[in-house]
Parts: sequence; C-alpha cells; structure tokens
Amino acid sequence: DQQVKQNSPSLSVQEGRISILNCDYTNSMFDYFLWYKKYPAEGPTFLISISSIKDKNEDGRFTVFLNKSAKHLSLHIVPSQPGDSAVYFCAALYSGGSNYKLTFGKGTLLTVNP
Amino acid sequence: DAMVIQNPRYQVTQFGKPVTLSCSQTLNHNVMYWYQQKSSQAPKLLFHYYDKDFNNEADTPDNFQSRRPNTSFCFLDIRSPGLGDAAMYLCATSRDGGETQYFGPGTRLLVL
Repeated sequence: DQQVKQNSPSLSVQEGRISILNCDYTNSMFDYFLWYKKYPAEGPTFLISISSIKDKNEDGRFTVFLNKSAKHLSLHIVPSQPGDSAVYFCAALYSGGSNYKLTFGKGTLLTVNP
Repeated sequence: DAMVIQNPRYQVTQFGKPVTLSCSQTLNHNVMYWYQQKSSQAPKLLFHYYDKDFNNEADTPDNFQSRRPNTSFCFLDIRSPGLGDAAMYLCATSRDGGETQYFGPGTRLLVL
C-alpha cells in the first residue's frame, strides 16, 4: 500500500520555464512533508519542507504548496536550470510517531533542457 | 565538512555469503537509519537506531541485522544474501529524530 505517490516517473522542461512536480498521499496522519533531490551516484539531499499547518513554503527558486483537503503537494521550480536535472523524491512524516519514519514516493526524474 | 560516509560504494557478493555494509557520520547525530532502495522504487526503511535503541520495521526480513558500536558508526549485516537483496542501501542520520534526515551516497549491492 503506497502511502506517498508520485504518479509522474519523469518530467522534461525547458530551461527558464517552470517545473511542477506533484505528490499525493493517503495517510491523513502525515503532518510534515519534505522534498529530496538525488543526483546519480549520490544520496538524496534535503531540498525543502512544509508543515501541515502551512499551505506554502518558499526558498529561493523552490516553492512547495500543500493542499491538505486534497492530500496533495507540489514542488515548483522557477526558473528551471539544467543543474536541477535530478530525481526528486517526495517524503512524508508523522511527527507524533515514535519511529520518525519517512515514507517516500518513488521519485520523479526531472530533465531540464538547455 | 560534516557528512555521512558509506563504505564500500559498490559491493559484490555471492548468493548466501554474508556481507556487511558500513556507515559513519561526523554530524554527531543520535539517530541513524538504514534504507533499501530497489530500482525505480521508493527508499524503504529497514530499521533505525535512536541512540542505542534498535527499532526494526515490522516487514524487515530477519536476514537483515544491524549493529551500532558507537554514535559515529552503524553497520548493516545481511546474513545470507539472496538475489532479491540486490539494491542500493542508504544510510541516513538525524538529530533527535528530527524531520530532516541526512543521507550518505549509498552502497550498491550486487548478488551473484
């Protein structure tokens, strides 16, 4: 049972345009959401996060939007750059749990074309 | 730079031959995690240590064990690797189980 879903395995955008990566979750207990970025042959690196008490968090070119009623979040990258090409993982957490477990989606491969 | 280090980066083992993967960290985090990631799949938590307390996920096979001799080091032991255990193994750390986890580069395991 996949509790965090990234339904688009890949996304291709032109440099300078907006990239929108989507993520859906099913567990209403999740109250914290994170995006990780992964380059080939490297481990995932933390990118941006959002608490369920917010609906938007922005950090430079990266913005995460959360729609709790739809159990949906998205990552916007504006403007997209070739160096953003990577696999992006959505992850969710129930902060009141005892095992601090991150539940990941399968990832979306973003390719930004020059 | 503070970091999470995994050795080796690539490991080849034979079917049924025990193998140990290593993780060390200079972040001084008290929580360490082991994830398994198969191709095109989400990373899956195997277990974690909160300080010295070991926490196993319910669906982690008994074939997978872990040791944490001190704060800095954590090992993943696969007692009898099967072909289905071929995967990327990721180590991660956090402070006090905080939301942000910091990952190492992973060890890719191949089972022949």
